Amino acid sequence: AIVLNQSPSSIIASQGEKVTITCRASSSISSNYLHWYQQKPGAFPKLVIYSTSYRASGVPSRFSGSGSGTSYSFTISRVEAEDVATYYCQQGSSNPPTFGAGTKLELK
Amino acid sequence: QVQLKESGPGLVQPSETLSLTCTVSGFSLTSYSVSWVRQPSGKGPEWMGRMWYDGDTAYNSALKSRLSISRDTSKNQVFLKMNSLQTDDTGTYYCTSQRSPQTGSPFDYWGQGVMVTVSS
Repeated sequence: AIVLNQSPSSIIASQGEKVTITCRASSSISSNYLHWYQQKPGAFPKLVIYSTSYRASGVPSRFSGSGSGTSYSFTISRVEAEDVATYYCQQGSSNPPTFGAGTKLELK
Repeated sequence: QVQLKESGPGLVQPSETLSLTCTVSGFSLTSYSVSWVRQPSGKGPEWMGRMWYDGDTAYNSALKSRLSISRDTSKNQVFLKMNSLQTDDTGTYYCTSQRSPQTGSPFDYWGQGVMVTVSS
């Protein structure tokens, strides 16, 4: 199975700050099948970015993604209070689909 | 609109079998696949297996020997059965669906999840 290593495991940011999360895969994956989810406490993971760089319906433009091969990144250009959550990358390029361990975003 | 809802016991004895049901609405099980994903508290999600729209199934090899997924299309339900439960099977279990039939497409729709505790 492809292992996804996310870093950092946690971020403390101020409102308005830019934050970037990295997801590194143990093998090269198709950028079509690298996705990002946001999970707030007590809720299910919500799709935020699909196919590396496409925002899911209703997702604000401050969220973006990029990458290829084994290295991908997820960026929030200006963090807002409502963005406090844990973020996960997920690959569907190779079976089984796998998720990263998550990056917990907190506000300073 | 698309909805998924998990149901099942919250507490299971060690070595016993877990049985969960996912009831869907807003789409047909003969058109879209449904996967089961579980998540231990404080950890990342783990994909368990999938019921394809054509009735075929796929399993995570790490769980395959203990896991069975089936469905009843007349009731819009997908079932999960996993035997020989241990304490590290404790967590929240979700059913989820993908809008695209492609295997690698994202998990667009999720149920609210059901918390399962394995304990005597």
